[in-house]
Amino acid sequence: SQELEQSPQSLIVQEGKNLTINCTSSKTLYGLYWYKQKYGEGLIFLMMLQKGGEEKSHEKITAKLDEKKQQSSLHITASQPSHAGIYLCGALTHGSSNTGKLIFGQGTTLQVKP
Amino acid sequence: DTGVSQDPRHKITKRGQNVTFRCDPISEHNRLYWYRQTLGQGPEFLTYFQNEAQLEKSRLLSDRFSAERPKGSFSTLEIQRTEQGDSAMYLCASPPGLPNHGELFFGEGSRLTVL
Repeated sequence: SQELEQSPQSLIVQEGKNLTINCTSSKTLYGLYWYKQKYGEGLIFLMMLQKGGEEKSHEKITAKLDEKKQQSSLHITASQPSHAGIYLCGALTHGSSNTGKLIFGQGTTLQVKP
Repeated sequence: DTGVSQDPRHKITKRGQNVTFRCDPISEHNRLYWYRQTLGQGPEFLTYFQNEAQLEKSRLLSDRFSAERPKGSFSTLEIQRTEQGDSAMYLCASPPGLPNHGELFFGEGSRLTVL
């Protein structure tokens, strides 16, 4: 099984709707990163969470970290077509926190219908 | 633009040929990572450099793969005797400071298609 599981794998929402993407780790988290990727392009950094209970926002995107559950969620409010893309969570876990090596989930593909 | 440059952006080659990808990280970043991403999957770690020293290699990096960072600046990833299974996006990343501090900047990637 995957070390980092994202759900759902894909999502289609109507413009203006809210949505949540989840990322669950099977190992203790030392840091959780969220990225966005357009098809065929590199990863764009969105947010980094390090402490349990931490919550960060950027424009209409909010990410939270539940350290005890080893989970993070990414919430988009009032989605727009510009939010479409692949959302990836990456984690620093035991053994990788010293090197900074991230383990990634498989990604969540978001489509926003106008 | 994250400041991490990769070249070429796209490479189509025939099975059995050698290919080389180059990554130019943000100049003051001493750590550099290579990842591979196949369609529908998240990036998978390949290897990691601290300055010119290659400190960690994934089991994904078979003997046909070699990475270098000769002067601790740019890095190259070479694949010898390419196979169709090597078709993927090869991503380079560099972070600004200590591990677990700050962003990990990714380049736009080099997409390899092996025919």
